[in-house]
Amino acid sequence: AQTVTQSQPEMSVQEAETVTLSCTYDTSESDYYLFWYKQPPSRQMILVIRQEAYKQQNATENRFSVNFQKAAKSFSLKISDSQLGDAAMYFCAYRSPYNNNDMRFGAGTRLTVKP
Amino acid sequence: KAGVTQTPRYLIKTRGQQVTLSCSPISGHRSVSWYQQTPGQGLQFLFEYFSETQRNKGNFPGRFSGRQFSNSRSEMNVSTLELGDSALYLCASSLGPASTGELFFGEGSRLTVL
Repeated sequence: AQTVTQSQPEMSVQEAETVTLSCTYDTSESDYYLFWYKQPPSRQMILVIRQEAYKQQNATENRFSVNFQKAAKSFSLKISDSQLGDAAMYFCAYRSPYNNNDMRFGAGTRLTVKP
Repeated sequence: KAGVTQTPRYLIKTRGQQVTLSCSPISGHRSVSWYQQTPGQGLQFLFEYFSETQRNKGNFPGRFSGRQFSNSRSEMNVSTLELGDSALYLCASSLGPASTGELFFGEGSRLTVL
């Protein structure tokens, strides 16, 4: 079964600085999807960024980018120019194309942004 | 476009009771998934419905059940509630089970079992 590991329960960053959240996963599949979700205190999970495993190019969404290392099964999230609104729980998630919507989530990293 | 709507947002029940939670997906989305979120276990997949059929089920006891209606709205039911069922229950919708897109989540229903 696929598992997702986030080894950083908490991280903090100074406003305007850069922070990287780590995620590793375990799978025997060659094709899959990876996501970073953000869950602010209001609780609604929203998608930050996604990566298809067959794409070699790392995904980027404005201040958010990933470092996808398929061989190492690593999928880290980099947040540049951190803003107060970035404070939230961040979840790394794995989705198999063969297992419908059974998305596997990591335990989450709580990000604090200091003004 | 309205997002995923879950009701009720908060509820308190006692052990042994049963509860029904409702989820209305984004218009046009036909797949609905349910997740349980607890501090100890994190986010765990409960089940997924598409076209009124359960397509996939997580590792939860039979006390957890669900259904989907023809308008894609979904309900989940938990019978004979236990203290450990206290959690945030999240509903997520997507275009379909085989879609490569993201899941869109609702704000959740916070269940407390006393």
